[in-house]
Amino acid sequence: KNEVEQSPQNLTAQEGEFITINCSYSVGISALHWLQQHPGGGIVSLFMLSSGKKKHGRLIATINIQEKHSSLHITASHPRDSAVYICAVGGGSQGNLIFGKGTKLSVKP
Amino acid sequence: GAVVSQHPSRVICKSGTSVKIECRSLDFQATTMFWYRQFPKQSLMLMATSNEGSKATYEQGVEKDKFLINHASLTLSTLTVTSAHPEDSSFYICSVRRGGRGYTFGSGTRLTVV
Repeated sequence: KNEVEQSPQNLTAQEGEFITINCSYSVGISALHWLQQHPGGGIVSLFMLSSGKKKHGRLIATINIQEKHSSLHITASHPRDSAVYICAVGGGSQGNLIFGKGTKLSVKP
Repeated sequence: GAVVSQHPSRVICKSGTSVKIECRSLDFQATTMFWYRQFPKQSLMLMATSNEGSKATYEQGVEKDKFLINHASLTLSTLTVTSAHPEDSSFYICSVRRGGRGYTFGSGTRLTVV
């Protein structure tokens, strides 16, 4: 079993829809990260959170430490949101991140 | 925020040759940098942790003599894939940990060995 599990693996939505991506983890963590990976491979950090909820524009991230679960929400989705969204936790022995496999999101106009 | 520059972004090399990938932390003194590898449809996996002024720490299954890491300064780490083979074709990406402020990633290098 992977230490970080994401669902769904693939997600297709119509423009304007509300989107939720889920992440569960099984290790002790210092913080959880949501990342965005574009088709060229570059990775951008969206959120780092260790409790509660954070909001940035149309993106909202929540975490429940007791349940070891986090969600990433996108409100009013847009085609430019199409990317792979990766959940990662800070729990590696070297201070590194441990990554989920990612959720490929495609938003159709 | 911190900026991490990685190059080349894309490289095609012949089997048996060596390829060097550079990762520069432009505005943050990074004592530690991480090198990850990502195969298609797989998650990023840690290859090694690069430590400034000392030897890198390699993950199990990663050949240290094949993937040479040099971290000679606080702003530069290099990964050299020696005697590359087609199975080394992958996406390589570096990352800098900025203390309690999270991680910044390079733009990645797509290596194709033919």
